[in-house]
Amino acid sequence: AQKITQTQPGMFVQEKEAVTLDCTYDTSDPSYGLFWYKQPSSGEMIFLIYQGSYDQQNATEGRYSLNFQKARKSANLVISASQLGDSAMYFCAMRDFYNQGGKLIFGQGTELSVKP
Amino acid sequence: KAGVTQTPRYLIKTRGQQVTLSCSPISGHRSVSWYQQTPGQGLQFLFEYFSETQRNKGNFPGRFSGRQFSNSRSEMNVSTLELGDSALYLCASSLSEVLQETQYFGPGTRLLVL
Repeated sequence: AQKITQTQPGMFVQEKEAVTLDCTYDTSDPSYGLFWYKQPSSGEMIFLIYQGSYDQQNATEGRYSLNFQKARKSANLVISASQLGDSAMYFCAMRDFYNQGGKLIFGQGTELSVKP
Repeated sequence: KAGVTQTPRYLIKTRGQQVTLSCSPISGHRSVSWYQQTPGQGLQFLFEYFSETQRNKGNFPGRFSGRQFSNSRSEMNVSTLELGDSALYLCASSLSEVLQETQYFGPGTRLLVL
């Protein structure tokens, strides 16, 4: 069965430093997509970055990059130059081809706190 | 372009009542999904609609139902509310069901069942 694991319930990082949030996944489907979302205390889920299983290069979006290691089934999010506004919950999610429709499977999330 | 909107934002109900939540997707998006978020269970998929048809359903009792209208707006209904239904209900829309299509979420509806 498909599964997403985020092993870091909470993390602290100093402002302006880089931080890596871990995500491992499990699927038997060769075709899948991996997503990262940010959820501030307001509750809204904000899309950050996407990586497809057949993408040759790691995805990047501004200060966000995804360290995709397919053989290890890991898709870690790297945030460079952390800002105070980055303090939030971060969720890794997966969708695979054989799942009918657009169902996303989420990990338990990592709470990131950025210290000034 | 306006984002996903959800109404109401907050709701307080008592056990046994029913509730209807509404979601308006981003203009042009035809796929709408619903998720329930609780501290204990995390984010769980409820159902997904595409072109007024339910395409996928999560493991929730029949008290949870939904529908999608011709303008892609969606509603979900929970009947005979239980205390455990207290949660943040999130709606997400995407252009289609294609694998790489990003789902964009609304601000959610916080439901409290007393």
